[in-house]
Amino acid sequence: DAKTTQPNSMESNEEEPVHLPCNHSTISGTDYIHWYRQLPSQGPEYVIHGLTSNVNNRMASLAIAEDRKSSTLILHRATLRDAAVYYCIRTGPTGTASKLTFGTGTRLQVTL
Amino acid sequence: EAQVTQNPRYLITVTGKKLTVTCSQNMNHEYMSWYRQDPGLGLRQIYYSMNVEVTDKGDVPEGYKVSRKEKRNFPLILESPSPNQTSLYFCASSLSTGELFFGEGSRLTVL
Repeated sequence: DAKTTQPNSMESNEEEPVHLPCNHSTISGTDYIHWYRQLPSQGPEYVIHGLTSNVNNRMASLAIAEDRKSSTLILHRATLRDAAVYYCIRTGPTGTASKLTFGTGTRLQVTL
Repeated sequence: EAQVTQNPRYLITVTGKKLTVTCSQNMNHEYMSWYRQDPGLGLRQIYYSMNVEVTDKGDVPEGYKVSRKEKRNFPLILESPSPNQTSLYFCASSLSTGELFFGEGSRLTVL
């Protein structure tokens, strides 16, 4: 089962940090965790991915639990432009894209 | 510019009239896939292709066909569309070990 579990929605104030959780308790040792987000009226876009270590890029940080059963996407300072649906997915061994399950994601609302 | 291009972007058709949604990428990606997005159901994968002439079913393949004769193209074929295939469709591509790039979507209505 390649499913992940995310809260349906979260709210944040602008310029506050946001922590978006994802549960992937059945993950195998070689599955990567990828995060995508979908802005209104657009296709999904890549945010970040990782395997075991925490990862940072210009958009966000990804914190992966030591047992790899969960991860957290961190937006350090939310802006109104970060309001989107965020998807956490598992990819195949060594990051190979194969059969992917996106689910319904977390809808993030950002308010002034 | 690196991109995934879908056509048509919008289509209204009638039940039973065969249609094809095209998807083309200019990044020499091996992997391509199709998704449908419906309210409350999120993104669901229809078919994917690991490379030319290699395709496999996703979670919701019923009523759809695909082909991958060239690396850059991955058309989605609805042989006999039905109203329950009214949806927003996305095509995506990636290197076999990389981030997915999505098209802008094709909104299909089947009457």
